[in-house]
Amino acid sequence: NAGVTQTPKFRVLKTGQSMTLLCAQDMNHEYMYWYRQDPGMGLRLIHYSVGEGTTAKGEVPDGYNVSRLKKQNFLLGLESAAPSQTSVYFCASSDSGTGSDTQYFGPGTRLTVL
Amino acid sequence: GQNIDQPTEMTATEGAIVQINCTYQTSGFNGLFWYQQHAGEAPTFLSYNVLDGLEEKGRFSSFLSRSKGYSYLLLKELQMKDSASYLCAVRERGSNYQLIWGAGTKLIIKP
Repeated sequence: NAGVTQTPKFRVLKTGQSMTLLCAQDMNHEYMYWYRQDPGMGLRLIHYSVGEGTTAKGEVPDGYNVSRLKKQNFLLGLESAAPSQTSVYFCASSDSGTGSDTQYFGPGTRLTVL
Repeated sequence: GQNIDQPTEMTATEGAIVQINCTYQTSGFNGLFWYQQHAGEAPTFLSYNVLDGLEEKGRFSSFLSRSKGYSYLLLKELQMKDSASYLCAVRERGSNYQLIWGAGTKLIIKP
């Protein structure tokens, strides 16, 4: 039981390049989330999904796209990377998204955009 | 509006007790979470409060006052491994029940 996994763990991009971050969970959770974490700021929600085939915008969605084609996977895409997207990206999953439902986090992806 | 405030950094001594405060202003409170995050690692769940009062879990306790928009996390018998950031997060109806996160409090434990 691996929980939530993310690939890659580290990546360096040049401005304008594209990439996809992959998140996978083996807990059969309905909800999945993508956050970014920057120094001095709280986790900020980029996009989230309440089930297979659904996605919704979070607090900071601009410059990112997502897809949830399979229940266990949630992909985050950067079409044209910018230095402002340098951050640590965390994926999380949860069962119901309400009440005491706990979010379980992946180990994170450290992305640097030059 | 949504605003969550925590102290940026705190220092405490091994074996002592420390209280980390969190104040919040949200549109439609629906629960408060505390997470622990060691440097370079993922956040992990510590506690959940939705009703006023104290929730105790071993060396960790969390308190909530909804009328004051206030919570604290109490850590007893501090150990060096408790050196980490502690994140306060609020679930609110105004954000479609998504969590709004504070910036975290970095706790440094000294021998």
